[in-house]
Amino acid sequence: KAGVTQTPRYLIKTRGQQVTLSCSPISGHRSVSWYQQTPGQGLQFLFEYFSETQRNKGNFPGRFSGRQFSNSRSEMNVSTLELGDSALYLCASMAGQPNTEAFFGQGTRLTVV
Amino acid sequence: GQQVMQIPQYQHVQEGEDFTTYCNSSTTLSNIQWYKQRPGGHPVFLIQLVKSGEVKKQKRLTFQFGEAKKNSSLHITATQTTDVGTYFCAGKVSGNTGKLIFGQGTTLQVKP
Repeated sequence: KAGVTQTPRYLIKTRGQQVTLSCSPISGHRSVSWYQQTPGQGLQFLFEYFSETQRNKGNFPGRFSGRQFSNSRSEMNVSTLELGDSALYLCASMAGQPNTEAFFGQGTRLTVV
Repeated sequence: GQQVMQIPQYQHVQEGEDFTTYCNSSTTLSNIQWYKQRPGGHPVFLIQLVKSGEVKKQKRLTFQFGEAKKNSSLHITATQTTDVGTYFCAGKVSGNTGKLIFGQGTTLQVKP
């Protein structure tokens, strides 16, 4: 079956702009989580969506938001971009049952200049 | 807040030597998962440990979950160049959630 698809793969944006990233989970998976990966901080949890509802939220400012559609596809939005938002953004797809593993997409590499 | 500490940050070994990375959580975990990320790639699931004191093996890899469900380790016997990458532990505080708390990762370099 198809894996987790993230688009776009690469983005370059200017400070102050906003950006929207997309994630299509594995078919049948209802949980989508987003992580920010940077060399200094590792993988930091942003939020999780399950059946179109935000189920968990990490410690990121309100500039980071997300949503999930009825087909489980998810989008993540970052407004008023800062240089420090440059990172690899990873989407993780999970079946939604307890004790299941995460399947990660290839990620979107965001560079803010 | 909930934290998972992982050491060491980097490890360089000669091919054939053993390798171990350790994780320690500030809170009791529901389960712990291990992922491997190759350079330029994305994290790939290796294994999940759920029970207190659980030990699982995958060929040359041995995973342990502590009795208190707060620490874990990954041991690789006789490393090979294909083992190169960053190994992450990721803890779940609650089983019925997608939130994973990742350790900082251990980057393994193997010299042939």
